Amino acid sequence: KAGVTQTPRYLIKTRGQQVTLSCSPISGHRSVSWYQQTPGQGLQFLFEYFSETQRNKGNFPGRFSGRQFSNSRSEMNVSTLELGDSALYLCASSLGANSFTDTQYFGPGTRLTVL
Amino acid sequence: AQSVSQHNHHVILSEAASLELGCNYSYGGTVNLFWYVQYPGQHLQLLLKYFSGDPLVKGIKGFEAEFIKSKFSFNLRKPSVQWSDTAEYFCAVTPNNAGNMLTFGGGTRLMVKP
Repeated sequence: KAGVTQTPRYLIKTRGQQVTLSCSPISGHRSVSWYQQTPGQGLQFLFEYFSETQRNKGNFPGRFSGRQFSNSRSEMNVSTLELGDSALYLCASSLGANSFTDTQYFGPGTRLTVL
Repeated sequence: AQSVSQHNHHVILSEAASLELGCNYSYGGTVNLFWYVQYPGQHLQLLLKYFSGDPLVKGIKGFEAEFIKSKFSFNLRKPSVQWSDTAEYFCAVTPNNAGNMLTFGGGTRLMVKP
């Protein structure tokens, strides 16, 4: 069974640009969550989608947005990039949206560098 | 809002030594607790989780954790570490019925010397 895949794996952008990251969950998984990992702030929750609906959103500015498609694939978008957006962006998928029963499986991440 | 503290940022042990990594959380309600591990060059993966019942939880690779409700703690333990346990360990919490919104601690880097 293929794991969570994220594309691209590495990305370099300049300030002010926008970027779209993609996540393909494990087959059959309907929940996708996104996290930002930085040396200073650690792992921080961005958002969670289940059946194309955003269920939870972390404490990030409106420049960060996401969506989920009917095939459960998800994208996140960051507009007007800032230097501080440089990070590893992790995607996790699970069968459902119940952390009690549904283990989250993480992807390898997309390394975003903003110059 | 909930928060998670991992007091040990870096730990260095020799093989066969015992391990205990501290994790404390702050949240007034019922929580689900997790330990994740990230081996060098690998994805973040679940070690163990606790929801209810026996406060001593056993996970993969010989790890266990004990939930002490009165101390808001969920410490990770292993009786005898191996070189292959070198990794970064993250404690995480999510309020019960809050979906998959994990709040992570800052992580503990463990180095095991052969």
